[in-house]
Amino acid sequence: DTGVSQDPRHKITKRGQNVTFRCDPISEHNRLYWYRQTLGQGPEFLTYFQNEAQLEKSRLLSDRFSAERPKGSFSTLEIQRTEQGDSAMYLCASSLRDYYGYTFGSGTRLTVV
Amino acid sequence: KNEVEQSPQNLTAQEGEFITINCSYSVGISALHWLQQHPGGGIVSLFMLSSGKKKHGRLIATINIQEKHSSLHITASHPRDSAVYICAVRRGGADGLTFGKGTHLIIQP
Repeated sequence: DTGVSQDPRHKITKRGQNVTFRCDPISEHNRLYWYRQTLGQGPEFLTYFQNEAQLEKSRLLSDRFSAERPKGSFSTLEIQRTEQGDSAMYLCASSLRDYYGYTFGSGTRLTVV
Repeated sequence: KNEVEQSPQNLTAQEGEFITINCSYSVGISALHWLQQHPGGGIVSLFMLSSGKKKHGRLIATINIQEKHSSLHITASHPRDSAVYICAVRRGGADGLTFGKGTHLIIQP
């Protein structure tokens, strides 16, 4: 296990379609975070899991967004009825239980056309 | 006003120059991170600070909690240092990071 893996790396979808992204964190990390980054901006926090529990959600996470981490390992982020404004890089990060630092994945770049 | 402000937004320098990137924040924090992002999105964690100073190779990060300010320094800069450098804070009582917009650094040979 060499790091945080995200799949797919790129996704192009038509407006109105649903998309799902996957994040596999470092295996011993129990905390998992999703961030969104638009062009020229720093990442913005979306949501956070500790094990399988979703403990914090940003106001940015509208009803069309849902995230799960069913077994406390990998996580999925689903966007329903995609809009052009959803086009962004979606970043996943994980950290150790007692919090040392973050390891980021390479991100999934979503383009909604 | 953003909770995390970085300056400058863009910086172009010649190889070998001493580089300083600044970060100011307006909230109480439990930790501050400096991150490096290369084209294509990959983010690498450089430092996590809660006080004082840390050094790793040619990189030095300092933080002044009273002044709510941190700096990232690069000594003997090299073209491979070209990247976006992002300051992010972990607010007290929260778990997610709040990010600055980043400083786009270009080191010319």
